[in-house]
Amino acid sequence: GAVVSQHPSWVICKSGTSVKIECRSLDFQATTMFWYRQFPKQSLMLMATSNEGSKATYEQGVEKDKFLINHASLTLSTLTVTSAHPEDSSFYICSARTRGDNQPQHFGDGTRLSIL
Amino acid sequence: AQSVAQPEDQVNVAEGNPLTVKCTYSVSGNPYLFWYVQYPNRGLQFLLKYITGDNLVKGSYGFEAEFNKSQTSFHLKKPSALVSDSALYFCAVRDLTDSWGKLQFGAGTQVVVTP
Repeated sequence: GAVVSQHPSWVICKSGTSVKIECRSLDFQATTMFWYRQFPKQSLMLMATSNEGSKATYEQGVEKDKFLINHASLTLSTLTVTSAHPEDSSFYICSARTRGDNQPQHFGDGTRLSIL
Repeated sequence: AQSVAQPEDQVNVAEGNPLTVKCTYSVSGNPYLFWYVQYPNRGLQFLLKYITGDNLVKGSYGFEAEFNKSQTSFHLKKPSALVSDSALYFCAVRDLTDSWGKLQFGAGTQVVVTP
């Protein structure tokens, strides 16, 4: 149980392109989803928290117009990197959790984004 | 503010030997603690959690962790390591000031198990 599917797993695109990443909870209702960015050999950096049906909450320093997050249903959240540039190249990971204080986050397998 | 520290960047162990990955925490109040493992180019996999109850928590793949309140530690352990346990391990604590379950992650510890 508690499977999170993230798609695509790998994206290579030209500078200026917008890229959408999907995060789905397959067997549970994700009241909250999180989007992270991870640089090589580093820990996860939280970008934003999204709750179903409401606007995402962004961490300090993360541009909300650059990284658009939509959490339209209890099983789907999307991250769109708008007008991507080479400095946006990174490993992006989503996670999801259901309601309850002791519920862990369950993670997708990540998306490797490479902007040429 | 809640935080966790993983003092070792890397842990090397021979296959079949005991494995310990260290984590210390700093919280105000009762901690909610988690361990995750990450394989290359993959997301994080949940191993175990401590919320309350027994100080020894058993998790996936033969891992366990011991919660020690006096030492503010939550070390991950496995009695007999496998080569396939080589991965990046993260300790995390629930941010209790956040109502949505935000986690504070440690820097990660790379585990290398040699045959």
